[in-house]
Amino acid sequence: QVQLVQSGAEVKKPGASVKVSCKASGYIFTNYYLHWVRQAPGQGLEWVGIIRPSSGIGDAPRFQGRVTMTTDTSTNTAFMELSSLTSEDTAVYFCARERPEGYRFDTWGQGTLVTVSS
Amino acid sequence: ELVLTQSPGTLSLSPGESATLSCRASQSVSSSYLAWYQQKPGQAPRLLIYGTSSRATDIPDRFSGSGSGTDFTLTISRLEPEDFAVYYCQQYVYPVYTFGQGTKLEIK
Repeated sequence: QVQLVQSGAEVKKPGASVKVSCKASGYIFTNYYLHWVRQAPGQGLEWVGIIRPSSGIGDAPRFQGRVTMTTDTSTNTAFMELSSLTSEDTAVYFCARERPEGYRFDTWGQGTLVTVSS
Repeated sequence: ELVLTQSPGTLSLSPGESATLSCRASQSVSSSYLAWYQQKPGQAPRLLIYGTSSRATDIPDRFSGSGSGTDFTLTISRLEPEDFAVYYCQQYVYPVYTFGQGTKLEIK
């Protein structure tokens, strides 16, 4: 079955970077876009960015320069690295799949809690 | 920049009743790009509705969506105990995907 499995929880200090992974299975990895969405404690959903595994091109308009998204097509895994962490980056980070031009997220990872604390 | 405003913030209803959730956009948007999600505590969101009114796979027909322009609605008829959760609308306007702030549907 279609599945996105994310890496485990992380605790980081302010100013550090974190890298979260999302391993896809059950479908052709390069046929779908992958998104990152985050949710601060008790808050709503915030879209972070998109990466297109077929080209490796990503876009995170609101996180210019702080977010790097990559994919490894040999392992069907997507990665999101967030740098210069502050306490406001404390959140659960989800990866989610989009059929190209579908404009909706039909499969989600289980989420990865990133805690930023000194 | 597009803003999606959901109302009410919290909706208190009993099982068996019907729920009407609103999502209002700050500018006219394409109905093709409007989706709804359900999220339960400690879980990832689940896609319910896409393209304003199409149900996602395995979503019961108690869930329906409608709307156009700036006003969109998710209707849940005959509420079941498992329907009590938080609901989010989501829209795409190039190059950004935007979520509403959510409506919590709680048991009265």
